Amino acid sequence: EAQVTQNPRYLITVTGKKLTVTCSQNMNHEYMSWYRQDPGLGLRQIYYSMNVEVTDKGDVPEGYKVSRKEKRNFPLILESPSPNQTSLYFCASSLSGTLQKQYFGPGTRLTVT
Amino acid sequence: QQPVQSPQAVILREGEDAVINCSSSKALYSVHWYRQKHGEAPVFLMILLKGGEQKGHDKISASFNEKKQQSSLYLTASQLSYSGTYFCGTENEAAGNKLTFGGGTRVLVKP
Repeated sequence: EAQVTQNPRYLITVTGKKLTVTCSQNMNHEYMSWYRQDPGLGLRQIYYSMNVEVTDKGDVPEGYKVSRKEKRNFPLILESPSPNQTSLYFCASSLSGTLQKQYFGPGTRLTVT
Repeated sequence: QQPVQSPQAVILREGEDAVINCSSSKALYSVHWYRQKHGEAPVFLMILLKGGEQKGHDKISASFNEKKQQSSLYLTASQLSYSGTYFCGTENEAAGNKLTFGGGTRVLVKP
């Protein structure tokens, strides 16, 4: 089944403790992206990747890192999480860019205390 | 800058119509529409490209007016399954491959 998976689905952590949220897709998609969703603000793009080793900042990249060493994986790294990064995070992928439909993962709800 | 969606919320009776608008301050290359049900991930509805085309998905259609830098989503003869939050995502000509979403329009269809 074609899908985007994220792990963990739920995470509660403390300020400053490094964490990684994994994202994987099995559709051989070139384009992958991370969004955060906060009430009233919709989906805001954090980082995106056009292909392996090619990443670029979205609208809200501060406090986040990403890497794209393999085509299927696009982990989101929070080196020193802060409470303002408490949010619902979605990973998405599409065949080759923003002119195709994006498939979203199930989401990761992160709480930073 | 995020596109502005209006209205923020709408309540419909089954069978009624509604229009959701999405406006940007920048010249647009494409507009995406997604629907998200409570507790779920957003699901793709359609993409409209520069050229003023109109598209349809079942009884949901959309138009894109690039001169006005806006798109509209039309919910026709609404069904209970249309309930959810609708998001437009825009790609502007200056920043390719970056998708910026609006704040969402919450739609509730009642029997």
